[in-house]
Amino acid sequence: KAGVTQTPRYLIKTRGQQVTLSCSPISGHRSVSWYQQTPGQGLQFLFEYFSETQRNKGNFPGRFSGRQFSNSRSEMNVSTLELGDSALYLCASSWPGSSTDTQYFGPGTRLTVL
Amino acid sequence: KQEVTQIPAALSVPEGENLVLNCSFTDSAIYNLQWFRQDPGKGLTSLLLIQSSQREQTSGRLNASLDKSSGRSTLYIAASQPGDSATYLCAVQTGANNLFFGTGTRLTVIP
Repeated sequence: KAGVTQTPRYLIKTRGQQVTLSCSPISGHRSVSWYQQTPGQGLQFLFEYFSETQRNKGNFPGRFSGRQFSNSRSEMNVSTLELGDSALYLCASSWPGSSTDTQYFGPGTRLTVL
Repeated sequence: KQEVTQIPAALSVPEGENLVLNCSFTDSAIYNLQWFRQDPGKGLTSLLLIQSSQREQTSGRLNASLDKSSGRSTLYIAASQPGDSATYLCAVQTGANNLFFGTGTRLTVIP
């Protein structure tokens, strides 16, 4: 069974641009969560999607958004990039998205904002 | 707001030693607690998941305990190996797949 895949693995953008990151969950998983990891703040929860609906959201500005497609693939978008958005963005999938299920993480997308 | 703390921030031990990593959290209303390892520049690998109603879980040389009332968990690694070198993260789940992570313990096992 293939693991969680994230594309692209590396991105370099400049301030003010926008970026879209993609996450393909493990086959059969319907829940996808996104996290931001920075040296200063550690790992922080962004949002979670289940069956194409955002079910939970962390404390991030509205510049961070996401969506989930009918095949459970998810994308997150960051608009008007700031230097502080440079981070490793991780997505995780699980099924059926309950408290009993381990989350499986992808390798991450490393975003650098110049 | 849930806060998760891990002590120590870094640990260096000789190969073969047994070691304990600590995790504490401020709000005991959790669904579960998970331990992950992260290798440099990589994603997270799940090691153990303890349900809120459980006291411990074991997998191979790893044993994790949970004391929900005191807001503490420990990860015990027996007979450490150089391949165990990584950053270990604990995380508590408080809502639908909303994990609060600690800042991690960077473990180095010296051959």
